[in-house]
Amino acid sequence: NAGVMQNPRHLVRRRGQEARLRCSPMKGHSHVYWYRQLPEEGLKFMVYLQKENIIDESGMPKERFSAEFPKEGPSILRIQQVVRGDSAAYFCASSPLIAQGAGELFFGEGSRLTVL
Amino acid sequence: KQEVTQIPAALSVPEGENLVLNCSFTDSAIYNLQWFRQDPGKGLTSLLLIQSSQREQTSGRLNASLDKSSGRSTLYIAASQPGDSATYLCAVTTGNQFYFGTGTSLTVIP
Repeated sequence: NAGVMQNPRHLVRRRGQEARLRCSPMKGHSHVYWYRQLPEEGLKFMVYLQKENIIDESGMPKERFSAEFPKEGPSILRIQQVVRGDSAAYFCASSPLIAQGAGELFFGEGSRLTVL
Repeated sequence: KQEVTQIPAALSVPEGENLVLNCSFTDSAIYNLQWFRQDPGKGLTSLLLIQSSQREQTSGRLNASLDKSSGRSTLYIAASQPGDSATYLCAVTTGNQFYFGTGTSLTVIP
């Protein structure tokens, strides 16, 4: 059973370009979370999705950032018109659906975005 | 809102020592608590998951305890090794949301 797969692992963009980060959850997992981690800082929650639905996007900037988890295919975190402050590691995590809500959380290796 | 605190922020111990990492949370209405390890430049690796109805979980040299009523968890590492050097994070879930501490950076000196 493959783990959470993220790609690309490293992405370099110039200011104003778009960044697309992809995440394939573990097989059987229906919950996907995106987190951002700045150097020497903790994980910051961005968005929580289930298939075709955004459940909680309270941690995501109102502008330029969007996320989706379509019925088929990976979850996508999209950052439009990137700025230098968007440089960070973006982690995806998935969790299975259980009666009380999400269960154990499993992380991907992250996508490291560098904005020049 | 749930807040998770980890103390100390950094810890340095000689190889072979037993050590304890602490995690506290403000809202005791959690479903589970999970401990992770993060190596530099890597993702988070799940170490132990404690359901709210459990008091502790063990895996090898690791033992995690949970006291929901006091909002505390500890991660005990026995006979530490240089390979244990990493950042350790705890997270609690209140259902659909996970709340993370800022981590304890552990260095085990050979």
